[in-house]
Amino acid sequence: AQSVTQLGSHVSVSEGALVLLRCNYSSSVPPYLFWYVQYPNQGLQLLLKYTSAATLVKGINGFEAEFKKSETSFHLTKPSAHMSDAAEYFCAVSPSGNTGKLIFGQGTTLQVKP
Amino acid sequence: GAVVSQHPSRVICKSGTSVKIECRSLDFQATTMFWYRQFPKQSLMLMATSNEGSKATYEQGVEKDKFLINHASLTLSTLTVTSAHPEDSSFYICSARVLAGGTGELFFGEGSRLTVL
Repeated sequence: AQSVTQLGSHVSVSEGALVLLRCNYSSSVPPYLFWYVQYPNQGLQLLLKYTSAATLVKGINGFEAEFKKSETSFHLTKPSAHMSDAAEYFCAVSPSGNTGKLIFGQGTTLQVKP
Repeated sequence: GAVVSQHPSRVICKSGTSVKIECRSLDFQATTMFWYRQFPKQSLMLMATSNEGSKATYEQGVEKDKFLINHASLTLSTLTVTSAHPEDSSFYICSARVLAGGTGELFFGEGSRLTVL
């Protein structure tokens, strides 16, 4: 079975500061991992995904994440936060080869202060 | 990326009525679509997997007679909330997977907010 834990339901950073959103996963098979962003009253937009290729994955809007098998982690980072990054972020896992059925983490709200 | 559209984006209905939400893949075909439910300030919970031309597969604890899913074509899946009650008020999101030629990536609709009075 797969599961995802996002550490910290709420993260606040200053504009221009480093963004670090934590995600740990549990999977009995090699996982596919995803980060999605959700703006208020909208659906989800894919930021990036790990599908067993390069462990450092670059996504849209300057975000990247590193897959660390030894730590079962897939933390999301961005060197410099922008006000427009304020949103809800979800980490998700699915069994490798089946990117349809996603299991989502609890979500982390990112607040960016001026 | 591929586009998934949901309609309506917002709906308010009276208790006891039924509401239908549509999920369309606009520029690709999808044999499989997924329906999620999201409560305020919470994560998405998978309700069911919609398979074109066959019965939907429901997750444990989801009432299939309450949440009717029909996937009649490769571009359309519908979720009907039957005899809606206030506790059914929620944000419903669908997603679809590209049938072929893609990476298996999921694309999400904009969501539909249901309010049952």
